[in-house]
Amino acid sequence: RKEVEQDPGPFNVPEGATVAFNCTYSNSASQSFFWYRQDCRKEPKLLMSVYSSGNEDGRFTAQLNRASQYISLLIRDSKLSDSATYLCVVMDSSYKLIFGSGTRLLVRP
Amino acid sequence: DTAVSQTPKYLVTQMGNDKSIKCEQNLGHDTMYWYKQDSKKFLKIMFSYNNKELIINETVPNRFSPKSPDKAHLNLHINSLELGDSAVYFCASSHVTQDFNYGYTFGSGTRLTVV
Repeated sequence: RKEVEQDPGPFNVPEGATVAFNCTYSNSASQSFFWYRQDCRKEPKLLMSVYSSGNEDGRFTAQLNRASQYISLLIRDSKLSDSATYLCVVMDSSYKLIFGSGTRLLVRP
Repeated sequence: DTAVSQTPKYLVTQMGNDKSIKCEQNLGHDTMYWYKQDSKKFLKIMFSYNNKELIINETVPNRFSPKSPDKAHLNLHINSLELGDSAVYFCASSHVTQDFNYGYTFGSGTRLTVV
């Protein structure tokens, strides 16, 4: 079983749609959780950290359920510029980042 | 001002050759990493150095040898290159304290193609 699992997609949605990505992780001792964004042929960039209480940054909302070992990302009012691969990332106790394989999002006009 | 810079950006080489990739960060971070992203886009850690000391060494062939001359630099030398080494290699750095990791900054990647 992979340490971090994501639906690879692609999710193909119209502009203005709301889209949600889910992720599960296998190591219950994982300490920190993140969503990264990776554009084609570019490096991953931190989108947001994920906290147990849930957190929001503009159109983006992240949720963490430690009991179910489940992380989610909700994007409201999708823009064309949101098209990218979204990487679910878990940090283990040695501060190593473990990446999911990514979920591809395509936002169409 | 590039925070984490890698060179070269592209590298095409023949099987059996030896090559190096260089990484430098100007963020004052104490921990640096090498990650490999294969053709399936899966990012996997290879090595981590903290203040020039190796702290993570995943199951990587010993043809791969990292070197950290100081905490701002982490280079990757690869001997006897194989076709399967073709991938994008990302360098990253972070600031780590006893209680927290303040997040990674990635370099723009080195696309290695072995022919």
